[in-house]
Amino acid sequence: QVQLVESGGGSVQPGRSLRLSCAASGFAFSSYAIHWVRQAPGKGLEWVAVISYDGNKKYYADSVKGRFTISRDNSKNTLYLQMNSLRPEDTAVYYCARDRAPFGIGEIDYWGQGTLVTVSS
Amino acid sequence: AIQMTQSPSSLSASVGDRVTITCRASQDIRDDLGWYQQKPGKAPKLLIYSASTLQSGVPSRFSGSGSGTDFSLTISSLQPEDFATYFCLQDNSYPYTFGQGTKLEIK
Repeated sequence: QVQLVESGGGSVQPGRSLRLSCAASGFAFSSYAIHWVRQAPGKGLEWVAVISYDGNKKYYADSVKGRFTISRDNSKNTLYLQMNSLRPEDTAVYYCARDRAPFGIGEIDYWGQGTLVTVSS
Repeated sequence: AIQMTQSPSSLSASVGDRVTITCRASQDIRDDLGWYQQKPGKAPKLLIYSASTLQSGVPSRFSGSGSGTDFSLTISSLQPEDFATYFCLQDNSYPYTFGQGTKLEIK
C-alpha cells in the first residue's frame, strides 16, 4: 500500500536550518508530483511547496519562497525539504502528500503522518 | 490566492444524523476540489475528489456536490467512526488552499 513517512523534525532556534525527509513506498515514486503541507498547532492547513515527478518544476508558497527548497531523489524514493532561516511562525507539523498527477495540479490522494518542527529560542 | 471559506467550523450531531459541510471558493475553481477526513494524530484521508467522485474504499454515505464556487460534503447517516475533522482543498491552481476545517463532534 502507499506509504509516506516523514522524518527530520525537531526543535531548532530561529535563524537555523533543518532538513525534512519523506520516504515513499508502495507506488512508483518517480511518476508522481509530491507536496509539502504544514499545520501550525491549533491552526488550519497551509500548502508549502510541490515538486514535479522529475524534479524539474517546483512551486512554493510566498511565506517560504527564498528560504525553503524542495527536492527529490527518485533513486532513493525520497522527498526533501531544506528549511533555512527558520522563524517561529514556521512551527508546525509538516506533511508530505502525493499528487495524482506527475506535474501536480491534481488531487492530493495520500498523506504521511507528519513530523513536528518547533522553532523557538 | 484563492480563498476557501468553510462552514460550519464545528458541528454537533448524533449517530444516524445527516450532516452537510460547505466550502465556498473566492473564484471559479470548476470542480477542482477535494474533501478530506482527519482524526487526531493520523494522516488526512481523501474522501471525495473532483468535487463529487468518491475515492475508492470510502463508504457511500459520503457524497460531494458543487462546481464553480460552491461545494458541499454530505454524510447521509453518521456512524461512530465519522466523528473527526473535515476539510476541503482546492487543487485548481497554486498555491493550493484549504478550508479552515469542520470539527464534527458527538452530540
